[in-house]
Amino acid sequence: GAGVSQTPSNKVTEKGKYVELRCDPISGHTALYWYRQSLGQGPEFLIYFQGTGAADDSGLPNDRFFAVRPEGSVSTLKIQRTERGDSAVYLCASSLRAAGWDGYTFGSGTRLTVV
Amino acid sequence: AQTVTQSQPEMSVQEAETVTLSCTYDTSESDYYLFWYKQPPSRQMILVIRQEAYKQQNATENRFSVNFQKAAKSFSLKISDSQLGDAAMYFCAYRSAYPGNTPLVFGKGTRLSVIA
Repeated sequence: GAGVSQTPSNKVTEKGKYVELRCDPISGHTALYWYRQSLGQGPEFLIYFQGTGAADDSGLPNDRFFAVRPEGSVSTLKIQRTERGDSAVYLCASSLRAAGWDGYTFGSGTRLTVV
Repeated sequence: AQTVTQSQPEMSVQEAETVTLSCTYDTSESDYYLFWYKQPPSRQMILVIRQEAYKQQNATENRFSVNFQKAAKSFSLKISDSQLGDAAMYFCAYRSAYPGNTPLVFGKGTRLSVIA
């Protein structure tokens, strides 16, 4: 696609529920990144994919968070047993190459609210 | 680990005037990239300008320019002839140039208001 697409734009869920957030990167971009942005903060790294594999998942806060990218394009961030502290904007970005100074292209994010 | 610090939570500027946003970073690496991103209310992060650490010349993109001081680990953004559309959150970000592709590390941001 022309840009990075994230769905849904907004998601409200009850505490304890499971949610999936989807990211559709720019066609041909091999690297895909997930960030979490809490209110008034900068984006914090969660996980990075190179192709289908998670190259770095050091930012995932705990084992309730998991992400996949089975065909090397679309990625899904999955959150189990959601907690109110998970409320944030989840940003996805992609870049053409895994290295170099390519800036990332970001989507508009999914605002997750856990009530 | 690398850190990025933006010491100005909020800034304001009169339309058509010039404003400078500050950013400092901490790293032990000699080769890296620095970026400024703009985030309007639409939430989408937009790349404003970038700088390679081994290039001494400061980057410029139209009304946006940077003052890169490698020894001081400082990377400020200057916006000239400010426009109402410049109002947004601005984030400074760092990325290592070394193999392994470390992800972008962001500062906490500066909220810029433009006064008509």
